[in-house]
Amino acid sequence: DGGITQSPKYLFRKEGQNVTLSCEQNLNHDAMYWYRQDPGQGLRLIYYSQIVNDFQKGDIAEGYSVSREKKESFPLTVTSAQKNPTAFYLCASSIAPPARQGAGETQYFGPGTRLLVL
Amino acid sequence: RKEVEQDPGPFNVPEGATVAFNCTYSNSASQSFFWYRQDCRKEPKLLMSVYSSGNEDGRFTAQLNRASQYISLLIRDSKLSDSATYLCVVNWPTGNQFYFGTGTSLTVIP
Repeated sequence: DGGITQSPKYLFRKEGQNVTLSCEQNLNHDAMYWYRQDPGQGLRLIYYSQIVNDFQKGDIAEGYSVSREKKESFPLTVTSAQKNPTAFYLCASSIAPPARQGAGETQYFGPGTRLLVL
Repeated sequence: RKEVEQDPGPFNVPEGATVAFNCTYSNSASQSFFWYRQDCRKEPKLLMSVYSSGNEDGRFTAQLNRASQYISLLIRDSKLSDSATYLCVVNWPTGNQFYFGTGTSLTVIP
């Protein structure tokens, strides 16, 4: 089955600790995205990647880092610099980035990771 | 002005009712529009794309008004299983990303 997987489902972070969230897709999609969702708020873009070895900051990139060494994988690291990391983190992918998409092409989401601070 | 705005609700409607949600967007260059459904503590899932001519999928109808920069979702004959949050999503070609509304909460009551 094709899809996007994220792990772990729940993650606990201690003060001063870096943690890495995994995102893998086997849809052969070029573009991948990381979003953060807080209660009562919409999804906010952290980072996105249009292609392997390329990534761009989204609206709230401070305190986060990413890599895109393989097409299938786009891990997100929440660093100790992120002072309010508790949130629901969602990874998504699309065939192409919005600027190169045909009308109607959209993105698909993984099941998400809930990050909690101890 | 926010990139995408939705009425957060909540909308509480009886089974069988018809309910409509609107969403406005600020970028006139946007080309693709979508409605997603998000259940509590789950990921968003694509409900339907929104095309210029309007489109229908069973009990759901989506429409786009480019002149006024809004999209709408109409749900007819509401079912209990329609209870969820509905997210409006717009692509942002100049910024090469998507923008999401905060979502509209729907509860269908028996």
